[in-house]
Formats: sequence, C-alpha cells, structure tokens
Amino acid sequence: AQKITQTQPGMFVQEKEAVTLDCTYDTSDPSYGLFWYKQPSSGEMIFLIYQGSYDQQNATEGRYSLNFQKARKSANLVISASQLGDSAMYFCAMREGEYNQGGKLIFGQGTELSVKP
Amino acid sequence: GAVVSQHPSWVICKSGTSVKIECRSLDFQATTMFWYRQFPKQSLMLMATSNEGSKATYEQGVEKDKFLINHASLTLSTLTVTSAHPEDSSFYICSARDEEQGAFGSPLHFGNGTRLTVT
Repeated sequence: AQKITQTQPGMFVQEKEAVTLDCTYDTSDPSYGLFWYKQPSSGEMIFLIYQGSYDQQNATEGRYSLNFQKARKSANLVISASQLGDSAMYFCAMREGEYNQGGKLIFGQGTELSVKP
Repeated sequence: GAVVSQHPSWVICKSGTSVKIECRSLDFQATTMFWYRQFPKQSLMLMATSNEGSKATYEQGVEKDKFLINHASLTLSTLTVTSAHPEDSSFYICSARDEEQGAFGSPLHFGNGTRLTVT
C-alpha cells in the first residue's frame, strides 16, 4: 500500500500567488514525522519544512507552511507569494516510529510545480 | 549546516563494469546512511540502509550482490554497482541524518546525487 500519496503530478501557479501541494499519508504508528523537500532540476534535495504527529500547531518556515489535518491524514504544503525560483519538484516524505532505523524517509511521487511570470 | 558530499556527480561506464559511488558526511558523524534511486520525474526509492560497521539492510526487491554497500567509517558510505547494465542507469542519491541533533524531526541531508549512465 502506498504510504505517501501526492495526487498532483504537475501544478501551475502565477508568480506572487499562493499554491497548495497535496499530500496524504497512511500509517498506524502514532509517532511519525512529515517532511517536504524541494528538488530543482539540478537534482539536489532541499529540506523545506517538518511536522511532527504530536505537534499541536501547523509548521511554518518563511513562505512555507504546512496544513496538517491529522484526522484526514493530510499534510499539504502551502507556498505563499510564489517566485520563479520555486519552480521545481516537490516531495512529501514520512518517517515512522520514534525508533525507526536511523530515521529513513519514504517519499511520495512528487509534484512538479511551474511558476508562471 | 550538515553537509553530505557525494562523488562522482556523473559517470558513464560500459556494460559489465563496476562503478563505485562515495557518500561522505563532512561536518557530522553518521552511523546510518541511506541510498536512494530515482528515475526521471519519479519518486526517490529507498534502496538500502547503510550501517557503520555492520551489514547494510536492503529494501525488498533490491539485489544485494548487485548493489554492494560498505560503511567503513562514521563519515563514509560507498555504493558499488557491480556488473552494470543499461537498466541500472539512474540517479543515485545518498543521505544521512545528523544524529547529534537528536530530535525525531531532524531532516535527512542529501548529497547532490550521481547520474549513472551505462552504455
């Protein structure tokens, strides 16, 4: 069963507008963490934001915020005031279990975001 | 911040030869490192967990004898693709977590990846 699902293969957004990238997850472990990474065409993986399963508030990091809806098992990434440099692949990932072996991450399929000028 | 260095960035090899990829944590120690494989426009698929001083743990469907992993020190893990074939052509990327950060939420830091082309 797919543990992390990103249903939007591609998204377009106008520069300076906000965009939401969807992510749903599946786990029976009460302790888990959700991460978002950005991958530009150069291939590097850039960590954006983290949300823990026990966190009461939605995570925010600059223009990035995470809309965490635990009951719905969703962790959508919101990018505000989009910039041309935001064009990239975006991956949602999950870490399960507090004593997970070394902290491995399982990734979703990714969403390719294109920002239009 | 924590930096992971991966070398080489790209490599072209002939079918049947072996290729070694190095992954180093530059400013932190990592008892565990992870190797991922990525096809164009697709997800990162975990291949194996590299454990310092012990055998790697491979994900289901990954051939241990084809993808040899060695984690000889707290800052170096290597992936050797043995007897490479064109279907092994892919983007390989390693990662590690700075365990001294301690928190469950500490992110994985990734190398810049290695693009392997087997001709």
